[in-house]
Amino acid sequence: DIQMTQSPSSLSASVGDRVTITCRASQFISSYLNWYEQRPGKAPKLLIYAASTSHSGVPPRFSGSGSGTDFTLTISSLQSEDFATYYCQQSYSTPWTFGQGTKVEIK
Amino acid sequence: DVQLVESGGGLIQPGRSLRLSCTASGFIFGDYAVNWFRQTPGRGLEWVGFIRNKGYAGTTEYAASVKGRFTISRDDSKSIAYLQMNSLKTEDTAVYYCTRQLDYGDYRIDYWGQGTLVTVSS
Repeated sequence: DIQMTQSPSSLSASVGDRVTITCRASQFISSYLNWYEQRPGKAPKLLIYAASTSHSGVPPRFSGSGSGTDFTLTISSLQSEDFATYYCQQSYSTPWTFGQGTKVEIK
Repeated sequence: DVQLVESGGGLIQPGRSLRLSCTASGFIFGDYAVNWFRQTPGRGLEWVGFIRNKGYAGTTEYAASVKGRFTISRDDSKSIAYLQMNSLKTEDTAVYYCTRQLDYGDYRIDYWGQGTLVTVSS
């Protein structure tokens, strides 16, 4: 199975801050990497797919980059509605696997 | 709008069976694969299995933890997918989600249902 490792596990930030979350795959996954946002009690929502393509309706402050094994999700200017948990997920091979999540909290 | 709605969760005793349903609307259901995932505070998000579309013969794959106990099926005429769970264990307790997945290209999983809670307990 492909292991996905996110860092940090949590972070505290203020509205307006630039936030970067990293995700590392245990083996090559090309660009088969997706990012999701999950708010408490809700289902995950797709933000970025194929490592760098924004899903429909996602604000432009969210961007993704990387390929191979190392990936990054960036929120250019954190908004109040962005305080949530973020997950990376590989769609290179089954079993589809997720990172452990990064919880973004208010400083 | 794309919608996926899970149903059928609840409290069930260990060793019993339960069937979850995933009812889709707002898109051509038969064009997509359907995944089932589950989530617990301790294990995070975990893939359960998927069923591909008829273009790929509706083949299924399962996580090792549920293989032989869980079965995924679909009825494209009703836009419904099912997760049949047999021989349930306490460790199957989780929120279960169904998702839509592109069956080619980047294989993105782009829409999730709201989830249904399954609690396995005596």
